Parts: sequence; structure tokens; C-alpha cells
Amino acid sequence: DIQMTQSPSTLSTSVGDRVTITCRASQNIDSWLAWYQQKPGKAPNLLIYMASNLESGVPSRFSGSGSGTEFTLTISSLRPDDFATYYCQQYNSYPYTFGQGTKLEIK
Amino acid sequence: EVQLVESGGGLVQPGGSLRVSCAASGFIFSRYSMNWVRQAPGKGLEWISYINSSSGAIYYADSVKGRFTISRDNAKNSLYLQMNSLRDEDTAVYYCARGLMDYWGRGALVTVSS
Repeated sequence: DIQMTQSPSTLSTSVGDRVTITCRASQNIDSWLAWYQQKPGKAPNLLIYMASNLESGVPSRFSGSGSGTEFTLTISSLRPDDFATYYCQQYNSYPYTFGQGTKLEIK
Repeated sequence: EVQLVESGGGLVQPGGSLRVSCAASGFIFSRYSMNWVRQAPGKGLEWISYINSSSGAIYYADSVKGRFTISRDNAKNSLYLQMNSLRDEDTAVYYCARGLMDYWGRGALVTVSS
């Protein structure tokens, strides 16, 4: 199985900050990577697919990059609504696997 | 508007069985693969099963293989997860998600406890 490792697990940040979350795959997954945002008590929401494609309706302050085994999710200027938990997920091969999540907290 | 609505969650004893359903609307269900993903209380996301549009390809996570069965009825726009031999560690919110997981339901809580 492909292991997905996110860092950091928790990030204390402030409104207006630029935030970068890293996701590493245990083997090459090309660009078969998605990023999700999840708020407490809600279902995950797709932000980025194929590593760098912004899902329709997602604000442009979100961006994704990377290929192979190393990926990043960047939020250019954090807004209050962005404090949530973020997950990466590979869909290169079954079983699909998620990273353990990165929780953005208010500093 | 795409909608996915799970139902059938509840409390079940260890070793018991439960079937969770997902009713789809707002898109042509028969053209899309579907997934089940679960989330234990306070934990991360775990993909558990996939079924393609025609039910010709099915995959499971090792954690549920042999105990859970995914199925679909395209005439009823519905996805199912039959869960047998349930364990305490199967306690979670169960989400259905479309295709490459661009749309998700709100989830159904399954609690396995004596």
C-alpha cells in the first residue's frame, strides 16, 4: 500500500499568513493526488485534483503543486474560513490512501 | 444539484450486521464510480471501498475485506455497503463519495458497542 505522510500535523497560523502543507508519498504516484478541506462535523470538500487543478468554486488563494512523491498545498493569504483540517489523498492505486491530516489553528 | 444522502446508520452489537445506503440525485448515477470512506471519532479519513459504474470492478481496504460488501442499483440511483461481523473499531461516520470524490454525502454514524 502507498503511505501518505503530511507535515506538519498541526499549524498555528494567523489570518493573512501564507501557509504551505507538504504531503509525501511512499512511492511514485505521478500526479494522482487530491487535497481536501474538512471542518468539524462536515464532510470533506475537494479543493485540488490531479495535484494542481483547482476544483470548480474553490477560491484561487488555494493552489497545489508537485508530482511523483512530493506535493504541496499552499494557501496564499489565510482567511478566517480556512481554519480547518486538510488531507491529501492518492488515487494512483488501490487501496486509496489519505494522509493523517493537517489542522490549521488560530495563533 | 448533486446530492448524496446516506441512511441506515445506528447502534449495533459486536459481531452484528448493518447495511448503509446512499441515495444519489442530481447526476446520472449509472455513469459514475462510487466510494465509501469512513472516519472514526476524532480520527482521519479512511477509504474502504470502490465500485465502478457497472459493478464490474470492486475494491476493498484490507481492514474490511471479507466482512463488508459494496453494491449498487443503478435503476434506484443507490449505493450500498453491507457490513457483517462488525467490530468496535468499525465505529465511524460512513461517507459515500462520487467518482474521484468530488461530491460527498453528509455521512451516517455507525456505532458498534455492546
